Amino acid sequence: RKEVEQDPGPFNVPEGATVAFNCTYSNSASQSFFWYRQDCRKEPKLLMSVYSSGNEDGRFTAQLNRASQYISLLIRDSKLSDSATYLCVVPSPTDKLIFGTGTRLQVFP
Amino acid sequence: EPEVTQTPSHQVTQMGQEVILRCVPISNHLYFYWYRQILGQKVEFLVSFYNNEISEKSEIFDDQFSVERPDGSNFTLKIRSTKLEDSAMYFCASSDWDPRTGSGYTFGSGTRLTVV
Repeated sequence: RKEVEQDPGPFNVPEGATVAFNCTYSNSASQSFFWYRQDCRKEPKLLMSVYSSGNEDGRFTAQLNRASQYISLLIRDSKLSDSATYLCVVPSPTDKLIFGTGTRLQVFP
Repeated sequence: EPEVTQTPSHQVTQMGQEVILRCVPISNHLYFYWYRQILGQKVEFLVSFYNNEISEKSEIFDDQFSVERPDGSNFTLKIRSTKLEDSAMYFCASSDWDPRTGSGYTFGSGTRLTVV
């Protein structure tokens, strides 16, 4: 299994839709997990941290299943401005961040 | 909000030339990093730096690469003899590292390096 694996997409959804992204990780000792957002040719920006079973912030919900080594990100009521690449990120024990390849989301009117 | 500043935003260089990418981390952060992202690929770790020395480096970070914190504020990445495959976006980051929240990690806006 790759260190961090994501479906690359793209996911093309209409405004108002609910969309979910999945991520699997290989290191069962990992304690915390992150979802970052990256716009085209820009730096990654932290969207959400997940270190227990889940986290919710407005329209965004992240869930963690440690037994399956699986993290998900749910976006409700998609906006045009949500169009971006969503990166699943797992920190190593030595503090470097291990990035997935990202899942591209395109929200259309 | 504190920022990590990178210069230049875009650098074009000839193959074989040396380049220095510059970064000003957030002033009270103690951990500094370089990552790179080749177009269309994932973000990859290059090197981490703490207490004026390299704490970890990836296999990408070979003898052609070096990092320095010359004056207590700047953090630089030097590529001694650039190759075409070094063309990428290079991101500097700094953190005060809380493994639980990750919120201490801040990325700069990147330097796009094009080797011709």
